Amino acid sequence: AQSVTQPDIHITVSEGASLELRCNYSYGATPYLFWYVQSPGQGLQLLLKYFSGDTLVQGIKGFEAEFKRSQSSFNLRKPSVHWSDAAEYFCAVGEENAGNNRKLIWGLGTSLAVNP
Amino acid sequence: GAVVSQHPSRVICKSGTSVKIECRSLDFQATTMFWYRQFPKQSLMLMATSNEGSKATYEQGVEKDKFLINHASLTLSTLTVTSAHPEDSSFYICSAREGGLEAFFGQGTRLTVV
Repeated sequence: AQSVTQPDIHITVSEGASLELRCNYSYGATPYLFWYVQSPGQGLQLLLKYFSGDTLVQGIKGFEAEFKRSQSSFNLRKPSVHWSDAAEYFCAVGEENAGNNRKLIWGLGTSLAVNP
Repeated sequence: GAVVSQHPSRVICKSGTSVKIECRSLDFQATTMFWYRQFPKQSLMLMATSNEGSKATYEQGVEKDKFLINHASLTLSTLTVTSAHPEDSSFYICSAREGGLEAFFGQGTRLTVV
């Protein structure tokens, strides 16, 4: 069965430091990959997505992610973290072979805290 | 980008009553809508998938008589929690998709049953 693993439950970084959030997936074909961010008590906002093409994807708020097929990874990065980036981050992969009802398979999330 | 509006953002209801949550796609036609439940500090749990004009498809373990989903138009889906109990208290989130690969999320509804 498809799965998404976010190995880090909680990460703390200092403001201005670089950030990398890990995401690994299990998938048979070319995956549709997403990173979402959720602020406390809020819905989810799409940061970036990968469907095909260039494996380095640029997103909003200065985030980027790189799809590495050989490692089954889609890690999220930001060169310099801002205090406002403190939130919950979810990696997801689109279910394969599901047609119009394709669901998202979710990781458990990584909680990011930013120290001033 | 596409906007999904979810209402209400917070609701408190008495045990035994029913509560309806609305999910609207404001600037696109949502052929497919998804309803999720999220417990504190946990990931999203898909409850059901609905297509406009069809009955919703519920995930295993989700009581369809308790969580009524209606997707009567291409811009509106509703989730009704019937005979709510304190254990139904949770954060409910909807998402909508026009037909492509990307889904857009509502702001979520915090339901508290007292």
